[in-house]
Amino acid sequence: DVKVTQSSRYLVKRTGEKVFLECVQDMDHENMFWYRQDPGLGLRLIYFSYDVKMKEKGDIPEGYSVSREKKERFSLILESASTNQTSMYLCASTSYQGLIANQPQHFGDGTRLSIL
Amino acid sequence: AQSVTQLDSHVSVSEGTPVLLRCNYSSSYSPSLFWYVQHPNKGLQLLLKYTSAATLVKGINGFEAEFKKSETSFHLTKPSAHMSDAAEYFCVVRLTGGGNKLTFGTGTQLKVEL
Repeated sequence: DVKVTQSSRYLVKRTGEKVFLECVQDMDHENMFWYRQDPGLGLRLIYFSYDVKMKEKGDIPEGYSVSREKKERFSLILESASTNQTSMYLCASTSYQGLIANQPQHFGDGTRLSIL
Repeated sequence: AQSVTQLDSHVSVSEGTPVLLRCNYSSSYSPSLFWYVQHPNKGLQLLLKYTSAATLVKGINGFEAEFKKSETSFHLTKPSAHMSDAAEYFCVVRLTGGGNKLTFGTGTQLKVEL
């Protein structure tokens, strides 16, 4: 089974801090994604990466950046955290062949981030 | 452009009765459609997917969904609800050949009562 692991389940940070959310997958997947989930809004794509050192903006990239230095790891960075970034963050991955074949994305359990 | 609308934000059923979670999509091209389930404090798990093969799709845990192009719908059903089905359900659309982009519905919270 594919395992997508997010380093923290719960995180509390202060306004203005630089925050790192880490995600690791163990299936050698090329594609990795970061979403945020808010009540009544579903999941919204922040950034995705289709290869090492490659990244593309999703629907709501403002206030975020990402890093993909190794294939298995995809980091989401909040450059200067603000209270409106309090949310559940979900990481997902899928292979290139899986994308072509319409295979589903595999999700981690999420990080619930609170910015005070 | 593509979009997906989940018509009910909350659905409540009694254990043992049928479940119907509604989803309508908008897509200019042939879509792939998915239903995911999210249990409390968990990530999303795939229930089933439609990718232009059979229009009636069977998934895990007794769920199924029917793709109706004329109605642009992909409703999720289950004949008999179980307490363990209580969760949030997301309808998701992806354009065929549409790259990485998935579009998520806003979710339907399913409550199952004794």
